[in-house]
Amino acid sequence: DAGVIQSPRHEVTEMGQEVTLRCKPISGHDYLFWYRQTMMRGLELLIYFNNNVPIDDSGMPEDRFSAKMPNASFSTLKIQPSEPRDSAVYFCASSPDRSRTSSYEQYFGPGTRLTVT
Amino acid sequence: AQTVTQSQPEMSVQEAETVTLSCTYDTSENNYYLFWYKQPPSRQMILVIRQEAYKQQNATENRFSVNFQKAAKSFSLKISDSQLGDTAMYFCAFHAGGTSYGKLTFGQGTILTVHP
Repeated sequence: DAGVIQSPRHEVTEMGQEVTLRCKPISGHDYLFWYRQTMMRGLELLIYFNNNVPIDDSGMPEDRFSAKMPNASFSTLKIQPSEPRDSAVYFCASSPDRSRTSSYEQYFGPGTRLTVT
Repeated sequence: AQTVTQSQPEMSVQEAETVTLSCTYDTSENNYYLFWYKQPPSRQMILVIRQEAYKQQNATENRFSVNFQKAAKSFSLKISDSQLGDTAMYFCAFHAGGTSYGKLTFGQGTILTVHP
């Protein structure tokens, strides 16, 4: 299994630009999560999907952030316009449905380090 | 809402020795799941070990084991025969089971350094 795939691994952009982060979950997983990690706030759940449908987006910081999951194998997290305070590592994770696993563990991608100057 | 607390920001240990990382949590749930994740300098989040609250037996994965004290809401991680590759940040995480869909709540993390 290839694991969760994220791209790009690093992104440097200027304030005001649009940023799109991409994620491919593990095949067969029904849940997909987007997290943000910063020194100040630690790991924060931004949004998660179940069967491509957004379930909880209460962690999305503001309207500049949006996430989509057009199909079971692809999701995007978009920031428009980006600001320096958005600089962080963004993780995507996926998880199988509870009916197919004995636990609720999530499998993380390698993360995207975003720097907004 | 659940909270997870890791009271040790940093720990260090000599290679081949044993170290214990602490984690406490607060919940009103009865059936839940606990995890330890490892984040090495590569920043990849790696699942180390899991524990189901309904199981009394402590989970073990090779050199990693937990001490799960349900009444005390404590979930510590013991690393035996520490290796240089164990140097990483370790996160304790809580999942409330079926009532909370997919949400994991993470602690603040403990930076572990293994010295040669």
